[in-house]
Amino acid sequence: EDKVVQSPLSLVVHEGDTVTLNCSYEVTNFRSLLWYKQEKKAPTFLFMLTSSGIEKKSGRLSSILDKKELSSILNITATQTGDSAIYLCAVEASGAQKLVFGQGTRLTINP
Amino acid sequence: DVKVTQSSRYLVKRTGEKVFLECVQDMDHENMFWYRQDPGLGLRLIYFSYDVKMKEKGDIPEGYSVSREKKERFSLILESASTNQTSMYLCASSEGQGQVYGYTFGSGTRLTVV
Repeated sequence: EDKVVQSPLSLVVHEGDTVTLNCSYEVTNFRSLLWYKQEKKAPTFLFMLTSSGIEKKSGRLSSILDKKELSSILNITATQTGDSAIYLCAVEASGAQKLVFGQGTRLTINP
Repeated sequence: DVKVTQSSRYLVKRTGEKVFLECVQDMDHENMFWYRQDPGLGLRLIYFSYDVKMKEKGDIPEGYSVSREKKERFSLILESASTNQTSMYLCASSEGQGQVYGYTFGSGTRLTVV
């Protein structure tokens, strides 16, 4: 059975700190790993990582895929209160046509 | 701007009622999905559909059914609502036959069963 595990489940930091969120997976025929950010409403897409694209960066956010360790990290530097959200990790297997999600990490940034 | 629209943002229903949650997408996507989201459990797949009139069970289909009569619309049905179905329900869609390029999500329906 395909499985995605995120850690920590909850994290509280101060504005300006750097945070690292973790995602590990067990999936048959891995195709891609995706990160989403969910504030009050719909999750919004952040990054997709594949065998041919194991590192992505956008502003203060970056993500790396470690295919050997079957894991990924999401880094956020110089955090702001607007980064407070649930961060979801999901994995897609080849031919599966669906994503398997982890439990999510609830990140709270205090001013 | 592409969109997935869920008909209700908040819903309160009584135990035993039949509940319909509607989802409409305007992107001509083949694939549509229903998830429920609970604290500490993440998103769990209830049902999904690759095409009109077809459906596949996800990980937790018990107590639910779905309908996809038109490509753009995917409905989730709670035949007889129970309190353990109180949850946030998220609809999503994606393009591609045989491939998933990431989902576009609706804003969610927070259902409370009393």
